Amino acid sequence: GQQVMQIPQYQHVQEGEDFTTYCNSSTTLSNIQWYKQRPGGHPVFLIQLVKSGEVKKQKRLTFQFGEAKKNSSLHITATQTTDVGTYFCAGGMDSSYKLIFGSGTRLLVRP
Amino acid sequence: GAGVSQSPRYKVAKRGQDVALRCDPISGHVSLFWYQQALGQGPEFLTYFQNEAQLDKSGLPSDRFFAERPEGSVSTLKIQRTQQEDSAVYLCASSFSSRRGFHQPQHFGDGTRLSIL
Repeated sequence: GQQVMQIPQYQHVQEGEDFTTYCNSSTTLSNIQWYKQRPGGHPVFLIQLVKSGEVKKQKRLTFQFGEAKKNSSLHITATQTTDVGTYFCAGGMDSSYKLIFGSGTRLLVRP
Repeated sequence: GAGVSQSPRYKVAKRGQDVALRCDPISGHVSLFWYQQALGQGPEFLTYFQNEAQLDKSGLPSDRFFAERPEGSVSTLKIQRTQQEDSAVYLCASSFSSRRGFHQPQHFGDGTRLSIL
């Protein structure tokens, strides 16, 4: 079936270091969304990418959508303790109403 | 309220009991989704409503799971004859109208943590 794989599962960084999580789909996506879930919280929408090769920035966060619309990445520059949480990608497909979530990357930041 | 509201926040039930979980979406949101989230995993799609119509129920694990949204606003997810493997967090999300291939950002509730003993 349709799958969205996400790596790494965990990343533990020193505050100020960079962080990247990668998302890969087995099928072409119509769009990809990124969510952040703080410990004990619910997923919160960050951004949506629709176009092939699209790059979007939100302050220290950079999101990319691959040319083939099958992969995506989220890069955080100079992490802060407020970045702690689990980051999920979620892919949507042309034939479907639903989003398929990756298993998430849990980010821990040492102060 | 301003956000998606789910109740109860926690539910403990004995194996074999029936449970009902409620979701009150953001006012005006046409689309409503139910997800199951196991510990350390991403949300897994269960079912989708557009207004009162259940357009996709492909993620419901078995016929013990049933969802409804009779008036196009509040939704209830019902699990009959609960099993231990049903223990998880059940998340509800709403959005403006989504359609195949065009997915609006989803707003999630805090979830119901279901524990089956």
